[in-house]
Amino acid sequence: GENVEQHPSTLSVQEGDSAVIKCTYSDSASNYFPWYKQELGKRPQLIIDIRSNVGEKKDQRIAVTLNKTAKHFSLHITETQPEDSAVYFCAANHKGITGGGNKLTFGTGTQLKVEL
Amino acid sequence: DTAVSQTPKYLVTQMGNDKSIKCEQNLGHDTMYWYKQDSKKFLKIMFSYNNKELIINETVPNRFSPKSPDKAHLNLHINSLELGDSAVYFCASSLETLHINEQFFGPGTRLTVL
Repeated sequence: GENVEQHPSTLSVQEGDSAVIKCTYSDSASNYFPWYKQELGKRPQLIIDIRSNVGEKKDQRIAVTLNKTAKHFSLHITETQPEDSAVYFCAANHKGITGGGNKLTFGTGTQLKVEL
Repeated sequence: DTAVSQTPKYLVTQMGNDKSIKCEQNLGHDTMYWYKQDSKKFLKIMFSYNNKELIINETVPNRFSPKSPDKAHLNLHINSLELGDSAVYFCASSLETLHINEQFFGPGTRLTVL
């Protein structure tokens, strides 16, 4: 099945600095790569996603890059703010173990702390 | 105006009991999911239903039985609860047309088994 690895597990940056989180995936058929942000005690919420037909996507201070050949994708947050502090999850899609459906396998999460 | 809602928000129960969690979405989505998030924050899919049909069942013990009475609802019944079932359970939904799309998560149900 799909394996999604995420690094680092914790990341501490100063306010205003950039943060980069990296993920690798194993299934070459994966074609959808979302990033979710989960604040403490809250639900995961999509912040940006990318499909395999593009290499980069940007939304204000957030950008995602995808390298299909190397099977890795990264989240970049610029000008970090305290409200960016949360757990961030990457994910990749692939078929369920019975061959049906289209599911997301999530990375293990990165706890981002933005310090004043 | 909640998009994906779950009840209850908290559930504390004894080992061996049976409990249910309910989920509803008002987004008009055709696919619903159950995820389990353990104490280490690992988020893992358990089940997926598309138009009331079970399409994904990820090596979940058969003590867990999902039920989808219609496209807007997906409930989770758990029999003979065990300590290891303690976790946060998230329901999610999405619109799966030609492509996989954004999944919207519910607020979660924190299950504590004593």
